[in-house]
This record gives sequence, structure tokens and C-alpha cells, in this order.
Amino acid sequence: AQSVTQLDSQVPVFEEAPVELRCNYSSSVSVYLFWYVQYPNQGLQLLLKYLSGSTLVESINGFEAEFNKSQTSFHLRKPSVHISDTAEYFCAVRKPSSNTGKLIFGQGTTLQVKP
Amino acid sequence: AAGVIQSPRHLIKEKRETATLKCYPIPRHDTVYWYQQGPGQDPQFLISFYEKMQSDKGSIPDRFSAQQFSDYHSELNMSSLELGDSALYFCASSPSSSSTDTQYFGPGTRLTVL
Repeated sequence: AQSVTQLDSQVPVFEEAPVELRCNYSSSVSVYLFWYVQYPNQGLQLLLKYLSGSTLVESINGFEAEFNKSQTSFHLRKPSVHISDTAEYFCAVRKPSSNTGKLIFGQGTTLQVKP
Repeated sequence: AAGVIQSPRHLIKEKRETATLKCYPIPRHDTVYWYQQGPGQDPQFLISFYEKMQSDKGSIPDRFSAQQFSDYHSELNMSSLELGDSALYFCASSPSSSSTDTQYFGPGTRLTVL
């Protein structure tokens, strides 16, 4: 079975500061990795995903995540955050090549960007 | 671009009542997933459908049932509601059941059981 651990439930940070949201996973098989963002009273939006290839993946709004197989991690980073980045961030995994694409989510990390 | 539509957006029910949540996937998406997100919790997978057939089942109570119709919309039926069923219910759709496909989430239905 797969599981995801997000090590920080809340991350407060000042605007324009860098941020890292940590995610570790456990799986006996290889997995696909995802970061979703949830703004208040909204659904989940895909931020970025790792399926294969380059271990560094980037989103269009400046976030990036690096897949580290040896450390089973997929930490999310942004060099300079904005107030509008305030949201809940979920790391998720999914088994490749299965007939089900269910996502298994971590507990979520609340990013609070302060002015 | 068209997104996943869920209705209703909010629903208030009494204990032991029934509720039906509807999900309309993005056009040409044949796979639907249902997730339940309790207060302050991560989303938990309930059930999924591919081409109108159930493809996987998660931690869905026996009181709940779901199906996908010929137009690919899906309904989640919940009976004998309990206080603990109060949650945000998300539907997501994807172009196929491939695990490489992105799941696109709807805005959710917030169910409150009193």
C-alpha cells in the first residue's frame, strides 16, 4: 500500500520569501507523484506532477518539485511567494499501470503568506 | 474551458435522510472519481468509474452507492445519513482510466448533516 506524509501542517512565511513544503511517500512499487493546491472554498487544482524523466518538474506559476527516489521525497519549493499563494497544498501519489487511477493524498500543508 | 460540474454545491440534511450528489465530467472524459474530504482532513478516495463500470472502490460505506450513466455523468447516493458524513465531496474526471492522466476536480458539494 502507498502512503504520503506531509511533514508540516502549517507553514507561515513572509511575502517574497522562499518556501519549501515537504512531502515523503512510502510505497513498495514505483509511483507517480502530484502536488495539488486548494484555495479557500474551491476544488483541487493540479500544480505539477512527476511521471518519469527529469526529476525536477516545474509549474507555470513558479513552483517546482524534485523527485528524490533515494529519500522517497517530492518536496515543493518556490523561491519567492506571493500573498495569492496562500492556500492548502496536498501531495499525492498514484500507482502506475493500474486499472485505477485513485490518488492517495497526504494530510495537507497550509501555506500562509504574510505581507 | 469546460470544467467538472457538481450539484448541488451545498446540501443540508437531517440524520437518517438520503442525499444524491451529481457530477458532470468534462466533455469526452469517460472516467469519474469520487472523494470525501472531512473537516481539516485530506481527500479520501471513495469510488471510481470507467466507461460506466465501477473500476475501483475505496473506503465507501455500504450506505453509499454510486453509478455512472450513459452520458458519463455520475451520481453518489447516500442513505441513512450520519453526522460523520458531513464533508466536502469532490468529483474528478479524467480522459481515461490511465494513471498518467490528470484528474480534474470539481468545486465540490458541501454536505452538512444535522
